[in-house]
Amino acid sequence: EAQVTQNPRYLITVTGKKLTVTCSQNMNHEYMSWYRQDPGLGLRQIYYSMNVEVTDKGDVPEGYKVSRKEKRNFPLILESPSPNQTSLYFCASSLSRDEKLFFGSGTQLSVL
Amino acid sequence: QKEVEQDPGPLSVPEGAIVSLNCTYSNSAFQYFMWYRQYSRKGPELLMYTYSSGNKEDGRFTAQVDKSSKYISLFIRDSQPSDSATYLCAMRKAGANNLFFGTGTRLTVIP
Repeated sequence: EAQVTQNPRYLITVTGKKLTVTCSQNMNHEYMSWYRQDPGLGLRQIYYSMNVEVTDKGDVPEGYKVSRKEKRNFPLILESPSPNQTSLYFCASSLSRDEKLFFGSGTQLSVL
Repeated sequence: QKEVEQDPGPLSVPEGAIVSLNCTYSNSAFQYFMWYRQYSRKGPELLMYTYSSGNKEDGRFTAQVDKSSKYISLFIRDSQPSDSATYLCAMRKAGANNLFFGTGTRLTVIP
């Protein structure tokens, strides 16, 4: 089944403790992206990647890192999480930037 | 001012009603317009994708884009309880890599 898989689905952590949210797609997509979704603000792009080793900032990149060492994986790294990073995170992928975007099921992160 | 504005609702309609969902935007550079549906605890899924102005129909769904008014709409005919979800508009500028999303309208279709 074609899908974007994120893990974990739920995560509670404390301020300053490094964490990684994994994202994997099995559709051989070149374009991958991370979004956060907050009430009243909607979905906002954090980082995106056009292909392996090609990443760039979205609208809200502060406090986040990404890497794209393999085509299928695009992990999101929070080196020192803070409470304002409590949010619902989505990974997405598409064949190219102009094609249909497929979303994962989301990761609900709480930073205490 | 946000680049994309969308009434958050909530919107409740009886089964079989015609639903109209709308977004306005401020930047005339937007060229690609999309509607996503998001069920509770799920990721958004693409419903409609249109380029520039005009209408596009797919089954019970019709997307309209009016670039002169900076206004897009999604119409749902013969609404069903399974249409109950949050609907997000999204748009992108030509040559750009990121999408701008509305905040979403929560729709409930009552049997």
